[in-house]
Amino acid sequence: DGGITQSPKYLFRKEGQNVTLSCEQNLNHDAMYWYRQDPGQGLRLIYYSQIVNDFQKGDIAEGYSVSREKKESFPLTVTSAQKNPTAFYLCASSMRLSSNQPQHFGDGTRLSIL
Amino acid sequence: AQSVTQLGSHVSVSEGALVLLRCNYSSSVPPYLFWYVQYPNQGLQLLLKYTSAATLVKGINGFEAEFKKSETSFHLTKPSAHMSDAAEYFCAVQGAANNNDMRFGAGTRLTVKP
Repeated sequence: DGGITQSPKYLFRKEGQNVTLSCEQNLNHDAMYWYRQDPGQGLRLIYYSQIVNDFQKGDIAEGYSVSREKKESFPLTVTSAQKNPTAFYLCASSMRLSSNQPQHFGDGTRLSIL
Repeated sequence: AQSVTQLGSHVSVSEGALVLLRCNYSSSVPPYLFWYVQYPNQGLQLLLKYTSAATLVKGINGFEAEFKKSETSFHLTKPSAHMSDAAEYFCAVQGAANNNDMRFGAGTRLTVKP
């Protein structure tokens, strides 16, 4: 079955450490997204990419970085500059960056601070 | 810019009762609207979407939503709640003129009592 795979499911970060969250899709979608979810705040967009080797900042990109070297993969790095990284991170994809295209989501990675 | 307001962060209904989850949107252009459901520690799953073809939209699991332009609303309903409907529900809006800016509401947690 096609879908989006996020790994790991749980991740712990030490102070001053960078960590990378994996997101892989086999839906042949062009567009991919990273969201942060905090209780009571819905989803906030961190980064998005509409094509390989291109990505754009969302609303809360500070302290995060991404790459899009392959169509199927859109990893997110949470850097030490992100002072409050504890959250649930969701990766999504859509056929293209278009208004009427729904986004398909992975099952998320829960990041906590040690 | 568009935005979404979900009225009520928690809704509780009895099994077999009507489910009504409220969503109001703000958009300067004709919007595309979506409802998603999220079960604990999982990603979001698309329930239904409005893309201007019909104002009453039927989705999965017996849910439906009606687009009312005059009220700027897109409320989600289900005639008879089932225990398995207990989850968090998110309304989302995307402006037709801005294809990289999907905005999510803060979510409504639905509890179903036996």
